[in-house]
Amino acid sequence: GENVEQHPSTLSVQEGDSAVIKCTYSDSASNYFPWYKQELGKGPQLIIDIRSNVGEKKDQRIAVTLNKTAKHFSLHITETQPEDSAVYFCAATAGGYQKVTFGIGTKLQVIP
Amino acid sequence: GAGVSQTPSNKVTEKGKYVELRCDPISGHTALYWYRQSLGQGPEFLIYFQGTGAADDSGLPNDRFFAVRPEGSVSTLKIQRTERGDSAVYLCASSLNGDSPLHFGNGTRLTVT
Repeated sequence: GENVEQHPSTLSVQEGDSAVIKCTYSDSASNYFPWYKQELGKGPQLIIDIRSNVGEKKDQRIAVTLNKTAKHFSLHITETQPEDSAVYFCAATAGGYQKVTFGIGTKLQVIP
Repeated sequence: GAGVSQTPSNKVTEKGKYVELRCDPISGHTALYWYRQSLGQGPEFLIYFQGTGAADDSGLPNDRFFAVRPEGSVSTLKIQRTERGDSAVYLCASSLNGDSPLHFGNGTRLTVT
């Protein structure tokens, strides 16, 4: 089955700096890569996703990149704000439905 | 509109007891999923429903776990003879169809003492 590795496990940045979270996946058949943000006591919330026919996608301060050859994908957050502090999960799926394999999560702390 | 609703938000039970966890998906969403999240880990897939039928239950850890969705809307996850290792947050998610993004509820935190 799919295996998703994520790093770093924790990340502290100063407000206004950029944050980068990196993931790798094992199943070359994976074709959909969502990113989730989870705040304490809440369920994961989709923030951005990318499909395997696209190399990069941007939504305001958030961007994702995908390198299918290397089986790497990354999340980039620019101009970080304190409200960006949360746990971020990368994920991958090859199925026609959302049997998603999640990474272990990155706890992001944005220091004001 | 209303999101995915899960009840109860917290459940404490004794080892060996039976528990039921309920999920109300977003209205009109045909696909429903259960995931389990242990402390410090990402969610792990348990089961996927398309309509009333379980299309994939390969993530259920053993036969103590069972889930139903009799009318294609509300779903119940049932755990028999609970064990301390079952303690986790059980997340429910729904999507418009099987290929649409997941919308998660806030989960039920199950503690088995």
